[in-house]
Amino acid sequence: GQQVQQSPASLVLQEGENAELQCNFSTSLNSMQWFYQRPGGSLVSLFYNPSGTKHSGRLTSTTVIKERRSSLHISSSQTTDSGTYLCAFMATGGNNKLTFGQGTVLSVIP
Amino acid sequence: EAAVTQSPRNKVAVTGGKVTLSCNQTNNHNNMYWYRQDTGHGLRLIHYSYGAGSTEKGDIPDGYKASRPSQENFSLILELATPSQTSVYFCASGGLDYAEQFFGPGTRLTVL
Repeated sequence: GQQVQQSPASLVLQEGENAELQCNFSTSLNSMQWFYQRPGGSLVSLFYNPSGTKHSGRLTSTTVIKERRSSLHISSSQTTDSGTYLCAFMATGGNNKLTFGQGTVLSVIP
Repeated sequence: EAAVTQSPRNKVAVTGGKVTLSCNQTNNHNNMYWYRQDTGHGLRLIHYSYGAGSTEKGDIPDGYKASRPSQENFSLILELATPSQTSVYFCASGGLDYAEQFFGPGTRLTVL
């Protein structure tokens, strides 16, 4: 079946450091999203990024469709960035469903 | 103002009982989805809908039914709840053709 490999599984940063999160997709994709989730919270859409590079504040998402991968870059991390980051994609020819990765648990310490 | 809302936010049910989870969206999206989130399994699709009157099976539909009576509302029904259905359930809405999805706040269901 369709799979998403997300890495790293967990990451600890000192406040101010940068982070790069990766997702690799097993099949061709039509679109993908990055989400943020606090413990016990809902999924907040950070980026809807079918292809190319998008920026939002200290966050940058880059999706390379041909290589079936996407990355999320967090610059100058803050303690409030702590939480789980999830990537998900919609496969070509699929039913618009999102297939999710297992997530990266990020902890930013002061 | 929240565009996807769910009720109830928390629910405790007994084994064998009937549970209905409700979702409402004001995005005017055609597509709606029910996912569950479990440690070790991530988020998985249960049922989805392309519009009022339509329901489709997702990846893990067994033990669940869905109902889409209108564009705005999508319900998930557990006719005979089991402890294995203890989970957090998320509803989402999205437009056509691989569009972005927006999630509700989630319902935490415990089946005793």
